[in-house]
Amino acid sequence: GAGVSQSPRYKVAKRGQDVALRCDPISGHVSLFWYQQALGQGPEFLTYFQNEAQLDKSGLPSDRFFAERPEGSVSTLKIQRTQQEDSAVYLCASSLLTGNEQYFGPGTRLTVT
Amino acid sequence: GNSVTQMEGPVTLSEEAFLTINCTYTATGYPSLFWYVQYPGEGLQLLLKATKADDKGSNKGFEATYRKETTSFHLEKGSVQVSDSAVYFCALSVFAGANSKLTFGKGITLSVRP
Repeated sequence: GAGVSQSPRYKVAKRGQDVALRCDPISGHVSLFWYQQALGQGPEFLTYFQNEAQLDKSGLPSDRFFAERPEGSVSTLKIQRTQQEDSAVYLCASSLLTGNEQYFGPGTRLTVT
Repeated sequence: GNSVTQMEGPVTLSEEAFLTINCTYTATGYPSLFWYVQYPGEGLQLLLKATKADDKGSNKGFEATYRKETTSFHLEKGSVQVSDSAVYFCALSVFAGANSKLTFGKGITLSVRP
């Protein structure tokens, strides 16, 4: 069956531009997570949704980062006024229910120049 | 807070060698422990997991035992293959309310030569 998909796979942005990263979770999965993976590091938690409710956004590094999941399915991570330190791979994961195995997408590699 | 520490890499082994990758953790609460693998050009995949002390997770010849007394979850394989070349991440999750977010270690790159 279809896994988690993310688009675009690669994004190059000039410093100061806004970007939007999309995640399509596995159909029917209630939980959705965003992680940020810097080069040579493990993924770090950004935010968590249960259906359309954003229950935890404690990992968002600044108020330039915003995530939404308005209909409880597709999610978008938006970064405003991108900075060089935002360069990373952004991973999306979904799970059927809270506490179940998380399935990861291929990630979006963001490069800010 | 929660954290995961993995041994420094990279690791290079010959085919059929024995593999150990160390992982220790600190956690508030009672964590579940995981090993994830990322093959070249692919996304993160769950390799194995253990949810309580003394549980052994196993998959594809890999094993790891949840050791509460040493707060460790070391990954082992008796005989590695070239196809095991990948990046391996140790992770934990503490179920807190409705959130089971993962905390990852830095990852370690394993290269297996023929």
